[in-house]
Amino acid sequence: DIQMTQSPSTLSASVGDRVTITCRASQRISDYLAWYQQKPGKAPNLLIYKASNLESGVPSRFSGSGSGTEFTLTISSLQPDDFATYYCQQYNSHSGTFGQGTKVEIK
Amino acid sequence: EVQLVQSGAEVKKPGESLKISCQGSGYSFISYWTGWVRQMPGKGLEWMGIIYPGDSDTRYSPSFQGQVTISADKSISTAYLQWSSLKASDTAIYYCARQDSSGVLEYWGQGTLVTVSS
Repeated sequence: DIQMTQSPSTLSASVGDRVTITCRASQRISDYLAWYQQKPGKAPNLLIYKASNLESGVPSRFSGSGSGTEFTLTISSLQPDDFATYYCQQYNSHSGTFGQGTKVEIK
Repeated sequence: EVQLVQSGAEVKKPGESLKISCQGSGYSFISYWTGWVRQMPGKGLEWMGIIYPGDSDTRYSPSFQGQVTISADKSISTAYLQWSSLKASDTAIYYCARQDSSGVLEYWGQGTLVTVSS
């Protein structure tokens, strides 16, 4: 199985900060990497797919990059609505694995 | 509008059976994989498995193979997740999601809370 490791597990930041979350895969996954945002009590919401493609309706302050085994999610200027938990996921048509999540907290 | 609507919260005792549902609308249900994801209390997301309602092709994560059964009734655009004998460790929120052809979970249901307690 492919393991996904996110860092950090928790991140404290202020409104307006630039935030970066890293996700590493235990083996090469090309660019089959998605990022999801989850707020308390809500279902996850797709932000980015294929490592760097922004899902329709997602603000442009979110961006993704990487390929192979190392990936990043960047929020260029953190907004109050962005305090949430973020998960990466490697995927193919028949399986998937999530990272353990990164909680973005208010500093 | 694509929607996935899940069945309501359940409270069960250890050893009981359970089947929860996920009804898709606003798209061709039989043409997309439907996946299930577990979230244990205070924990992260776990990919459980998927089903293609068009032909009932089903794939499971090794962690969940043999522990649950995924099925679908394409006549009513509904996918199911079932247990034959629940354990306290099955207590979690279970989400269904529509998966695109590459494996991305594009649309999610609202989640079903399953509580297993004696």
